[in-house]
Amino acid sequence: ETGVTQSPTHLIKTRGQQVTLRCSSQSGHNTVSWYQQALGQGPQFIFQYYREEENGRGNFPPRFSGLQFPNYSSELNVNALELDDSALYLCASSLGGASGAADTQYFGPGTRLTVL
Amino acid sequence: AQSVTQLDSQVPVFEEAPVELRCNYSSSVSVYLFWYVQYPNQGLQLLLKYLSGSTLVKGINGFEAEFNKSQTSFHLRKPSVHISDTAEYFCAVRGMSGGSNYKLTFGKGTLLTVNP
Repeated sequence: ETGVTQSPTHLIKTRGQQVTLRCSSQSGHNTVSWYQQALGQGPQFIFQYYREEENGRGNFPPRFSGLQFPNYSSELNVNALELDDSALYLCASSLGGASGAADTQYFGPGTRLTVL
Repeated sequence: AQSVTQLDSQVPVFEEAPVELRCNYSSSVSVYLFWYVQYPNQGLQLLLKYLSGSTLVKGINGFEAEFNKSQTSFHLRKPSVHISDTAEYFCAVRGMSGGSNYKLTFGKGTLLTVNP
């Protein structure tokens, strides 16, 4: 059984650029959640995808968008990068039930994004 | 909506001493409770979770936590810590019902430092 993987590990971008982060969910999981962890803070929920549909969103602007693919892997896209977007981006996968209720979330190692 | 308060931002202890990391939560709905550990430059690893049943939950690496509904607390304990337990610990909650309650809401974390 493979765990949650994320790519790339590290990324450096300049203000105004766009970035795409990728996540492969754990085998058998159909739900992916994305979190932003700023330095010295707890993770903050960005959004969740269940069976390729957005299933909830946190307080993040529309320039944060995502996709989930038929194999349940996922992408996080951020447009018009700002300095405050510098953070560790964590992906978590879980097994959502028919009602959409998600079980325990298992996290990947994260992507460290630095915006200059 | 939920919120989590981790009462101590830093807890220094000596090796083989007991430790308690405190977590209080607030929620308008019933919740599930989690503790995650984050080692330097890594993602989050699940330590233990409370979903239902016995209020004393045992996790990995000798950690345990007790759910106290009346005090809305979920404190993490270990009777004897090791140098390798040095890490950031996060308490998190998730609502039991649907919609955006699927998200995990995290505290700001407690840095446990175990000294020889």
